[in-house]
Amino acid sequence: GAGVSQSPSNKVTEKGKDVELRCDPISGHTALYWYRQRLGQGLEFLIYFQGNSAPDKSGLPSDRFSAERTGESVSTLTIQRTQQEDSAVYLCASSFVVAYQETQYFGPGTRLLVL
Amino acid sequence: AQSVTQLDSHVSVSEGTPVLLRCNYSSSYSPSLFWYVQHPNKGLQLLLKYTSAATLVKGINGFEAEFKKSETSFHLTKPSAHMSDAAEYFCVVTRMDSSYKLIFGSGTRLLVRP
Repeated sequence: GAGVSQSPSNKVTEKGKDVELRCDPISGHTALYWYRQRLGQGLEFLIYFQGNSAPDKSGLPSDRFSAERTGESVSTLTIQRTQQEDSAVYLCASSFVVAYQETQYFGPGTRLLVL
Repeated sequence: AQSVTQLDSHVSVSEGTPVLLRCNYSSSYSPSLFWYVQHPNKGLQLLLKYTSAATLVKGINGFEAEFKKSETSFHLTKPSAHMSDAAEYFCVVTRMDSSYKLIFGSGTRLLVRP
């Protein structure tokens, strides 16, 4: 597709359930990022994938959060045993590094509500 | 540590009047700076970026920003607001140790009155 896509667009779940969020990056983009945006706040970095390198997981808030990426394609962010404080918009971005200058292109996000 | 401060959580202007969204950054090195816009129910869109070339950066939709090192500022301006400019705007700086890690400001919501 022309841009980064994410699914589902909205997800409502009960506390304690697991959720899986999906991101389809722009074709050819080697880097993929996940961010979390709490209501009324800026984005928080969660995790970064670059090609076949080990991902940078330094932004994941707890061990309930994990993410996978197969090659340079789709990524899934999994939140286990969801808590109410996990409610946020989860944004995915992808980029193609050119001469150390990269622009991240963002998807529309998945709005997660944990009841 | 790097950080950005957006001085106004909300800015309200009349259509056709100038827009000024303020951003100050803190960095011990020459950073890369960005402005992103987020329309309701849409993804973030890059407006413009500064990467140590010209200090006056022109972006899309008539927006521009000037990097002022002496004032550690990167304010976003537009000469004449349009109704379609109503959105949330984020000032962003990259981290020194990891250029891919974007540090976002808390955002400024721009309201445009008819």
